[in-house]
Amino acid sequence: GIQVEQSPPDLILQEGANSTLRCNFSDSVNNLQWFHQNPWGQLINLFYIPSGTKQNGRLSATTVATERYSLLYISSSQTTDSGVYFCAVEILGGGATNKLIFGTGTLLAVQP
Amino acid sequence: EPEVTQTPSHQVTQMGQEVILRCVPISNHLYFYWYRQILGQKVEFLVSFYNNEISEKSEIFDDQFSVERPDGSNFTLKIRSTKLEDSAMYFCASRIYNEQFFGPGTRLTVL
Repeated sequence: GIQVEQSPPDLILQEGANSTLRCNFSDSVNNLQWFHQNPWGQLINLFYIPSGTKQNGRLSATTVATERYSLLYISSSQTTDSGVYFCAVEILGGGATNKLIFGTGTLLAVQP
Repeated sequence: EPEVTQTPSHQVTQMGQEVILRCVPISNHLYFYWYRQILGQKVEFLVSFYNNEISEKSEIFDDQFSVERPDGSNFTLKIRSTKLEDSAMYFCASRIYNEQFFGPGTRLTVL
């Protein structure tokens, strides 16, 4: 099956620093989403980004579907950005179910 | 903004007991999902549901699991006889087009 790998697995930042999280996937995908899992365990939708670039405040994401990767940029990080970041992909030709396959996650800790 | 809701937020049960986890998807969505996340691991697909029937289920979704949409708003996951290894966070999700929206999760603890 498709492999979805994220890097780095762990990241510690000082408040105000910038970071780039990467998601590599091993097969062609229909869709890609980025999520932030906060310390309470909730999954927060960040981006729906099957291709191209999107920005939302201090966050932006880029997906290059032909090269099978996506990047999540966090600028001017804040302590509230701490948590686990997941990318999740939907396999091309995966049928009508459109299930998401989640990556391994990046655990981000932003220190004051 | 519409959102997916789940109840309860935390459920503690004894091994062998039945549990029902409840979800209210976003009202005009057509596709519904359950996922689970064992502590410290990634999120895994359990089952998808469309047009009042299961459209796909994973290997995890064995005979102990069932899903139902008993009315126009609720979507439930039943675990018939819980095991210790069922302890996890269970997420409901729904979609109308391509983007899936997740509920806040139910943390299930089996003792």
